[in-house]
Amino acid sequence: QSVLTQPPSASGTPGQRVTISCSGSSSNIGTNYVYWYQQLPGTAPKLLIYRNNQRPSGVPDRFSGSKSGTSASLAISGLRSEDEADYYCAAWDDSLSGYVFGTGTEVTVL
Amino acid sequence: QVQLVQSGAEVKKPGASVKVSCKASGYTFTSFDINWVRQATGQGLEWMGWMNPNSGNTGYAQKFQGRVTITRNTSISTAYMELSSLRSEDTAVYYCARTVENWGQGTLVTVSS
Repeated sequence: QSVLTQPPSASGTPGQRVTISCSGSSSNIGTNYVYWYQQLPGTAPKLLIYRNNQRPSGVPDRFSGSKSGTSASLAISGLRSEDEADYYCAAWDDSLSGYVFGTGTEVTVL
Repeated sequence: QVQLVQSGAEVKKPGASVKVSCKASGYTFTSFDINWVRQATGQGLEWMGWMNPNSGNTGYAQKFQGRVTITRNTSISTAYMELSSLRSEDTAVYYCARTVENWGQGTLVTVSS
């Protein structure tokens, strides 16, 4: 079961900024790094953000991550049609001794 | 570049076991943990367990304890995930990942009588 809570959906028009939240607890987000993934239909998750706010090479700077306390956020600025996908957050959970994932957010570009 | 290539799709009957492989390249296999994550159709991501390829140490999600085994063969830079006592609810795409950053392409496991 998912331990991290995300809104089920988010949307925006091209060029807008969309923010996705990820709510956890002191045993996961509160003390460990947060990761964000983009998943297009039928493909493996692609890492967008690691260590809370770091972008792998090749990921546009339109994607940014932040963390505060037991919550994290992913922001997509300058929204584009190709950003339509599912987005997941993840973090290690010290109580469970394993990774936990968010419930997932479907982003729609209107 | 880092690559994880998984074995092909499997169809199994309930009660059987499945073993999925994950061949790593582009880095030193023993230097990074391998995690296994699964995703049922239309559902979210579910972490199953991890392995330190250097020591062979493993850790499993409580949900899968006793049914999942993660192993490796360092000579061929390959990790394996075996899931036993399969049931229909285990039908999913299974992914391996280096730490949780680089992912394999996924392996569809279908459990059906």
